[in-house]
Amino acid sequence: GENVEQHPSTLSVQEGDSAVIKCTYSDSASNYFPWYKQELGKRPQLIIDIRSNVGEKKDQRIAVTLNKTAKHFSLHITETQPEDSAVYFCAASGFGAAGNKLTFGGGTRVLVKP
Amino acid sequence: NAGVTQTPKFRILKIGQSMTLQCTQDMNHNYMYWYRQDPGMGLKLIYYSVGAGITDKGEVPNGYNVSRSTTEDFPLRLELAAPSQTSVYFCAAMGQPNTEAFFGQGTRLTVV
Repeated sequence: GENVEQHPSTLSVQEGDSAVIKCTYSDSASNYFPWYKQELGKRPQLIIDIRSNVGEKKDQRIAVTLNKTAKHFSLHITETQPEDSAVYFCAASGFGAAGNKLTFGGGTRVLVKP
Repeated sequence: NAGVTQTPKFRILKIGQSMTLQCTQDMNHNYMYWYRQDPGMGLKLIYYSVGAGITDKGEVPNGYNVSRSTTEDFPLRLELAAPSQTSVYFCAAMGQPNTEAFFGQGTRLTVV
């Protein structure tokens, strides 16, 4: 089945700097790659996603890139702010026996220092 | 429109007891998922379903069972609870393939 690896597990940045989180996936059939943000004690929420026919997508201060050949994708956060402090999860979606299967990476804890 | 609702929010079980974690959604979404999140760790897929009557195992199905008799409900059953099942459990629902998954607020389960 699909395996998603995420690095780093923790990331500390100074406010205003950029943060980059990288993920690799194993199943070449995966075709959808969302990113979720989980604030302390809260549920995960989607922040951005990318489909396999697109190489890059941007939404204000966040962007995601996808390299299908290498089977890796990355999240970029620019001009980080204290409210960006959270755990970020990447995921890969493909089709299993019961339909759409969403597999998550291990998460990255981001701390933005004021 | 409540989205995805999980009950209970907290539960303490004794080793060997059984319980059902409830998940219901009012979005008429076909796809539903159960994940567990251990402290400081990622989300591991337990079971998932594409619609009523169709379920499949995820990465960590052992010790759990699910059923999907209706579109709205996707309960997770724990038989013979073990300390290793201490975790936060999240249910999620997705409308169409490769779209946003909406999560419930989670159930924090402790097995002692």
